[in-house]
Amino acid sequence: GIQVEQSPPDLILQEGANSTLRCNFSDSVNNLQWFHQNPWGQLINLFYIPSGTKQNGRLSATTVATERYSLLYISSSQTTDSGVYFCAAYTGANSKLTFGKGITLSVRP
Amino acid sequence: DAGVIQSPRHEVTEMGQEVTLRCKPISGHNSLFWYRQTMMRGLELLIYFNNNVPIDDSGMPEDRFSAKMPNASFSTLKIQPSEPRDSAVYFCASSRPGGAYGYTFGSGTRLTVV
Repeated sequence: GIQVEQSPPDLILQEGANSTLRCNFSDSVNNLQWFHQNPWGQLINLFYIPSGTKQNGRLSATTVATERYSLLYISSSQTTDSGVYFCAAYTGANSKLTFGKGITLSVRP
Repeated sequence: DAGVIQSPRHEVTEMGQEVTLRCKPISGHNSLFWYRQTMMRGLELLIYFNNNVPIDDSGMPEDRFSAKMPNASFSTLKIQPSEPRDSAVYFCASSRPGGAYGYTFGSGTRLTVV
C-alpha cells in the first residue's frame, strides 16, 4: 500500500512565527488530507487537497501530485495551533486512507 | 450537518467484558471506516464499509473484534471479550462515494480496559 512520511516529527515555535510541514507519499493519490488533532483528541479536517493550493485564514496547503508531496503552511502561529498534524492519503475509490505518523507542533507564548 | 456521531465518548470496562462502540455517519455518505489510535501504532484502519457492505477487514486484530453496518445510518464495533491491550481511542469516519471531498471523523471513543 501507499507509504506516507511526514517531517519534521516535532516542531517548537514561538508565537507569531511561520512554519512549513511536509508530507511525502509513495504513489499517485486520489485523496490527500491534512488533519489537526487538538489536545482533546479530536481530528479536525483542515484541507482536502489531492492537488493544487488552498488557503484558509492563516493556513494554506499545496500538493504537487507529480512530485508526490504536500506542504502545510502555518503563518503567524498561535498557541491554539499546538497539537499533532497528520497527513493522510489514498490511491483509489476502494482503498484505505493511510496516515503518516504525524508532526507534533508546540507553539509557545 | 451534525457530523459523524460516536458513542460513548468514554468507556471503562473490566477485562473479559463485551464492549460495543457506535457510530452514525453523515447522511449521504456511503463509506464508513473504523480506525484505532494508539501511541505505539498510530492511526490504523480496522475495517471499512461501502454501501453497508464490509470491503476490507484485514485490519481487524483478531476474532474478538467484529463490526456491523445494518443500515446506512448506523454501525457498531464490538469487542468480546475485551483485553487491556484493546485500550485505545476508536474513531469512526465517513465519506461520500470515492472519498470525494475527503473523510470526516467523529470525536472518537476512548476505551480503557482494566
